Amino acid sequence: GAVVSQHPSWVICKSGTSVKIECRSLDFQATTMFWYRQFPKQSLMLMATSNEGSKATYEQGVEKDKFLINHASLTLSTLTVTSAHPEDSSFYICSARAVTSGLDGETQYFGPGTRLLVL
Amino acid sequence: RKEVEQDPGPFNVPEGATVAFNCTYSNSASQSFFWYRQDCRKEPKLLMSVYSSGNEDGRFTAQLNRASQYISLLIRDSKLSDSATYLCVVRTISNFGNEKLTFGTGTRLTIIP
Repeated sequence: GAVVSQHPSWVICKSGTSVKIECRSLDFQATTMFWYRQFPKQSLMLMATSNEGSKATYEQGVEKDKFLINHASLTLSTLTVTSAHPEDSSFYICSARAVTSGLDGETQYFGPGTRLLVL
Repeated sequence: RKEVEQDPGPFNVPEGATVAFNCTYSNSASQSFFWYRQDCRKEPKLLMSVYSSGNEDGRFTAQLNRASQYISLLIRDSKLSDSATYLCVVRTISNFGNEKLTFGTGTRLTIIP
């Protein structure tokens, strides 16, 4: 159990376009999902916390109008990188915290990540 | 000062050796602590939680010293499959109830046959 998927796994796009990344909890419900970004040779950095049915909470320095987050259901959160630029090229990873009984409610389960390259 | 600091390595050790990683964190209000492993170009996977009493899972032993704000991971009888980057992770809950995991930059381990 506790599988999180992301789609797409990689994307190459032109500068100025918008890219949507999906994060799904496949076999459990998640009221809270998290979006991280990892640049080469750096640590994962939390971008925002996504709560089902409410607005996302963004970390300091992360532009909410540029990184749009929607958490419309207990199993799906989306991150849209609007007007992407080369500096947005990174590894985007989501995680989900389980509310299903039988799973550790403290543990975040990570998706496989999405590699974004903006040309 | 970084919130979570780790020696980036790399650590290159022969198969069968014992290797230890250390980590320090700056936020004394941190509540939970973890070691994750991350393989190249993959997502991080939970290795184990870390408790003040120390905990062991097979060849892996983790220890937390809250007074020194120090976390350690010991790997005994290392295997080739242990080659990965090991991430020290600290969990905090804000006054508003917001959860945050803060990751170290990771320590790269390569086990040599």
